[in-house]
Amino acid sequence: DAGVIQSPRHEVTEMGQEVTLRCKPISGHDYLFWYRQTMMRGLELLIYFNNNVPIDDSGMPEDRFSAKMPNASFSTLKIQPSEPRDSAVYFCASSFTGNEKLFFGSGTQLSVL
Amino acid sequence: DAKTTQPPSMDCAEGRAANLPCNHSTISGNEYVYWYRQIHSQGPQYIIHGLKNNETNEMASLIITEDRKSSTLILPHATLRDTAVYYCIVIIWRTYKYIFGTGTRLKVLA
Repeated sequence: DAGVIQSPRHEVTEMGQEVTLRCKPISGHDYLFWYRQTMMRGLELLIYFNNNVPIDDSGMPEDRFSAKMPNASFSTLKIQPSEPRDSAVYFCASSFTGNEKLFFGSGTQLSVL
Repeated sequence: DAKTTQPPSMDCAEGRAANLPCNHSTISGNEYVYWYRQIHSQGPQYIIHGLKNNETNEMASLIITEDRKSSTLILPHATLRDTAVYYCIVIIWRTYKYIFGTGTRLKVLA
């Protein structure tokens, strides 16, 4: 198994631009999580899905952030418009019912200039 | 969810056991203790978890005190590749809302 796949690995954009981060969970996993990591705030849970349905989005910082999971094998996290304070590493993770372990991707390093 | 307290950093000599403590004095009866680690620039990796009994797997051992207010992760023979940030998390079974704290930065010294 290839594990959780995130793309792009690095993203550099200018303030005000739309940014889309992508995630492919491990096949068969029914939970998907988006985390953000910064030096100041550590690892923060943004949102998680179960069977493609958002369960808890209380960690999403503001309306500029949105996440979708159109099917079991794909999810996106979109930031529109992006701001410099959004610069961080964004991780996607997946799990499956009864397992309780999170499997993380390699992350997307986002820099907003 | 119960909060955890971990020392910010620790050093360990290569080949020696690394003992990483975690305090979770407000843990409730249905909360499990999980340990993850994050090697520089990678995503966190699951290590081990337990409820009240001690647990061991190929990576580490987990010792939970009888009152469950604290636990210790033991890496029996630390190697340089074990240098990482180690996170202790308590979570209700099947709630999936993992909250990562600041963790312990373990440095294994040659």
